[in-house]
Amino acid sequence: ETTLTQSPAFMSATPGDKVNISCKASQDIDDDVNWYRQKPGEAAIFLIQEATTLVPGISPRFSGSGYGTDFTLTINNIESEDAAYYFCLQHDNFPYTFGQGTKLEIK
Amino acid sequence: EVQLLESGGGLVQPGGSLRLSCAASGFIFSGYAMSWVRQPPGKGLEWVSAISDGGGTTYYADSVRGRFTISRENSKNTLYLQMNSLRGEDTAVYYCAKEVRSNSWYGPDYWGQGTLVTVSS
Repeated sequence: ETTLTQSPAFMSATPGDKVNISCKASQDIDDDVNWYRQKPGEAAIFLIQEATTLVPGISPRFSGSGYGTDFTLTINNIESEDAAYYFCLQHDNFPYTFGQGTKLEIK
Repeated sequence: EVQLLESGGGLVQPGGSLRLSCAASGFIFSGYAMSWVRQPPGKGLEWVSAISDGGGTTYYADSVRGRFTISRENSKNTLYLQMNSLRGEDTAVYYCAKEVRSNSWYGPDYWGQGTLVTVSS
């Protein structure tokens, strides 16, 4: 089973900031990582697929990087609407596993 | 527009059973694998089970194998999760999710809003 270690668990940002969220895998999983955003009471939104590919319709302020074991979600020019819970998922092997999640607060 | 609507959650006693449903619309349901994912209160996400587009292949987390059964009825565009021998640690919001690509496993693109299952006496 692949463990994903996501950090930080919580972060606070100011509008206009750039933030990075890390996801580290316990073994090489190529680029088989997706990133999602979830707001309370809402369905999760698909942001980044295959580690680096922006999902159509998602703001280009979001980007993903990494390969193998280290992955990063970057949000540029933070806006108030970005306040949410962000998580990574690996689909390289079953069971699918998730990072522990990052709660992003906007000041 | 893709929509996934879960139902069937509720309060059940330890040892009891519950069947969750996920009604899908806005895409060709029979062409995509589906998953169930859960999130206990205040905790992270846990993948529970997945089923191939035709239903012939299923996968389970070790924590539910032998107690939960995933199935689908493509003629009704509906995904199911039969949960037996429920335990307190099964208490969670349960989400259904659609695979991003047909006939393959690349992770979900669309998720439902979830249904709460509470196991308590």
